[in-house]
Amino acid sequence: QKEVEQNSGPLSVPEGAIASLNCTYSDRGSQSFFWYRQYSGKSPELIMFIYSNGDKEDGRFTAQLNKASQYVSLLIRDSQPSDSATYLCASGQNFVFGPGTRLSVLP
Amino acid sequence: DAGVIQSPRHEVTEMGQEVTLRCKPISGHNSLFWYRQTMMRGLELLIYFNNNVPIDDSGMPEDRFSAKMPNASFSTLKIQPSEPRDSAVYFCASNTGDYGYTFGSGTRLTVV
Repeated sequence: QKEVEQNSGPLSVPEGAIASLNCTYSDRGSQSFFWYRQYSGKSPELIMFIYSNGDKEDGRFTAQLNKASQYVSLLIRDSQPSDSATYLCASGQNFVFGPGTRLSVLP
Repeated sequence: DAGVIQSPRHEVTEMGQEVTLRCKPISGHNSLFWYRQTMMRGLELLIYFNNNVPIDDSGMPEDRFSAKMPNASFSTLKIQPSEPRDSAVYFCASNTGDYGYTFGSGTRLTVV
């Protein structure tokens, strides 16, 4: 079973703090991972993708991949109320999504 | 580009009726995915096509579900007969290469 796991949350952080979202996967063959943001009632939208071990930064977002530990994370710096959404981790190898973590950024 | 276009946006049907969902992928994208999303099960991959050919349909829940992609610009997902447990949001997504998928706006299906 090729699975992607996430804590469902909700994760609550104050405005301006760093939000840390985590994801683990079972398929060691997975080479690429994606983070999607989904607002309530909307479709998922791609915010980050990562292929290599280490960190990848894009604005306030940093994705981290550790293939040895089968672990992917997303850090959101200077969190804003507009970041409140469900964040979905996905494996590019088998197109499987995790259940998502609901993030709430409190003003 | 108009993005991935799905129709209808909402569908309410009676149990036992046939339902057809439609998707137009982004031009030039060679892979197309159908997903179903529910609160209980999250986002589930039903089937995906590459260059119009079905590659993996292991996620299709049962024989009542079928999907076709007759050409590069159109795909359908059909449920016959529909059941209340099929109620969900159905998303179509497309991509090219390995740079993530672009999702359509989804079809919210309610079977009563």
